[in-house]
Amino acid sequence: KAGVTQTPRYLIKTRGQQVTLSCSPISGHRSVSWYQQTPGQGLQFLFEYFSETQRNKGNFPGRFSGRQFSNSRSEMNVSTLELGDSALYLCASSLDGQTNTGELFFGEGSRLTVL
Amino acid sequence: GESVGLHLPTLSVQEGDNSIINCAYSNSASDYFIWYKQESGKGPQFIIDIRSNMDKRQGQRVTVLLNKTVKHLSLQIAATQPGDSAVYFCAEKTGFNDMRFGAGTRLTVKP
Repeated sequence: KAGVTQTPRYLIKTRGQQVTLSCSPISGHRSVSWYQQTPGQGLQFLFEYFSETQRNKGNFPGRFSGRQFSNSRSEMNVSTLELGDSALYLCASSLDGQTNTGELFFGEGSRLTVL
Repeated sequence: GESVGLHLPTLSVQEGDNSIINCAYSNSASDYFIWYKQESGKGPQFIIDIRSNMDKRQGQRVTVLLNKTVKHLSLQIAATQPGDSAVYFCAEKTGFNDMRFGAGTRLTVKP
């Protein structure tokens, strides 16, 4: 079974631009969550989607948004990029967010560099 | 504020020895506490979790201990191998796949 796939793996943008990252969850998984990983702040929760609905959101500004499609694939968008948005963006999937377990399946991430 | 944190940022052990990685948490409302392993260039990988109403859970070569009295979580790795070298994160599940992660401990296994 294929794992969580994230594209692109690496990208470079300049301040003020916007970026869209894509995530394909494991087949059958309906919950997709996004995390930002930086050396300074560590792993931080962005948001979680299930059945095309955002169920939970972390403490990030409105420039960070996401969506989920009917096939469970998800995208996240960051608008008006700032230098501090440089990070590894990780997508994780699970069968559903109500599963009584802590197991998430992470992709390898999209590394964003903002110049 | 509420947080999940780690006692030590680095840990170095000899191959074959047992490793113990510690974590302190302050939010006791979480249902699950989890350990993840992250190797260089990869996403975090689930190791083991423990429900808040348990004290101990064992997996293959790993044991997680939860002490709710002092809000402490630990991961024990038996017979540590070079492949165990990675950054280990503790996390608590606070909502729909809303994991609050600790800062991480880098485990280095010396041959």
